[in-house]
Amino acid sequence: QAVVTQEPSLTVSPGGTVTLTCGSSTGAVTSGHYPYWFQQKPGQAPRTLIYDTNNKHSWTPARFSGSLLGGKAALTLSGAQPEDEADYYCFLTYSAAWAFGGGTKLTVL
Amino acid sequence: EVQLVESGGGLVKPGGSLRLSCAASGFIFSNAWMTWVRQAPGKGLEWVGRIKGKADGGTTDYAAPMKGRFTISRDDSKNMVYLQMNSLKAEDTAVYYCTYYGSGSYFGDYWGQGTLVTVSS
Repeated sequence: QAVVTQEPSLTVSPGGTVTLTCGSSTGAVTSGHYPYWFQQKPGQAPRTLIYDTNNKHSWTPARFSGSLLGGKAALTLSGAQPEDEADYYCFLTYSAAWAFGGGTKLTVL
Repeated sequence: EVQLVESGGGLVKPGGSLRLSCAASGFIFSNAWMTWVRQAPGKGLEWVGRIKGKADGGTTDYAAPMKGRFTISRDDSKNMVYLQMNSLKAEDTAVYYCTYYGSGSYFGDYWGQGTLVTVSS
């Protein structure tokens, strides 16, 4: 089963920019993995920010964007706000089993 | 309005069994690929497994740690999906969420509130 990797933790200053990445043990992440990004705050269910690499839901703040970068999926936050402090999970689909990354704890400080 | 309501969690001894249920409403259930996701206390999200919609064969796939122990089934007449968990281990302790893909939604657009399973002697 594939392993999906993320940075365990990152810190960004308010108003700053940060990029979270998502790799796969099977090789390069491509659009064929339909990368998702979820945000989860304590005590809450996850919420989708990005689906299919770079598509946003109506509830996704404009400061979040998704892309493919250097063989990985990437989530970029431009203009971080205090309310963006949360855990972020990448999710990749494979032919059979799907998988979440281990999550990135993002601190806005 | 989409609703997913999990039930069936509780305390079970190691080696025991438990069946979780997820009642779905607000979308065309038979088309949806129903998925279970779990989260151990203080840990990350873990994909448990999925059952495809009837039109896609209704087949199942599981994460490696669950294969052979967990079984997902569905009853389209009742809009219910089930997770039968056998040979439970302490590391199966988690909140189990129900979510889905398809039927007009992307994966994870909607989640239940989760049900807590505790495996302990």
